[in-house]
Amino acid sequence: GQQLNQSPQSMFIQEGEDVSMNCTSSSIFNTWLWYKQDPGEGPVLLIALYKAGELTSNGRLTAQFGITRKDSFLNISASIPSDVGIYFCAGQGGSNYKLTFGKGTLLTVNP
Amino acid sequence: DVKVTQSSRYLVKRTGEKVFLECVQDMDHENMFWYRQDPGLGLRLIYFSYDVKMKEKGDIPEGYSVSREKKERFSLILESASTNQTSMYLCASSFLNSNSPLHFGNGTRLTVT
Repeated sequence: GQQLNQSPQSMFIQEGEDVSMNCTSSSIFNTWLWYKQDPGEGPVLLIALYKAGELTSNGRLTAQFGITRKDSFLNISASIPSDVGIYFCAGQGGSNYKLTFGKGTLLTVNP
Repeated sequence: DVKVTQSSRYLVKRTGEKVFLECVQDMDHENMFWYRQDPGLGLRLIYFSYDVKMKEKGDIPEGYSVSREKKERFSLILESASTNQTSMYLCASSFLNSNSPLHFGNGTRLTVT
């Protein structure tokens, strides 16, 4: 099946720092999605990307759909304590509704 | 805002019990999904449905069944719960369009003793 490699697995940063995480795939995707999951909650959609090369922002978050359609990154600028959580990438390909998820990046922000 | 509601946040059941996990969405989404989430394994798809009374197996359907009698409701059934089904269960929904992102519920943490 399709595999998504998400890195890093975890990050420990100071409040105010910028953060970058990425996902790569051996397969082409038509859609890239980024989710955040708080402890004990379900994942919440942060950003959806639909076109190769697309760069989209949502507040302090910026994500890009790689030009090869096999990768995506998420940047968080000026991190704050409430950014703590697990960030997942997900890819969607062709006419299949199913998503392929990365294993997640655990972000810890020290105040 | 999309609302996907899972009926229970926490459940504790005994081995061998029949367990029902309920999910309701209010956005008229055609697609509904059940995932389980385990440390180190990420999210794994159990079953999904793209229409009423339609269902398709995901990656790990063994030990589970589903029911979609109404468009807004998708139930996950554990016929005979086992301890290895202790997990976080997540329901999600989306429009039929293959580019439509999934929206998740808050999850049900099931413990089977």
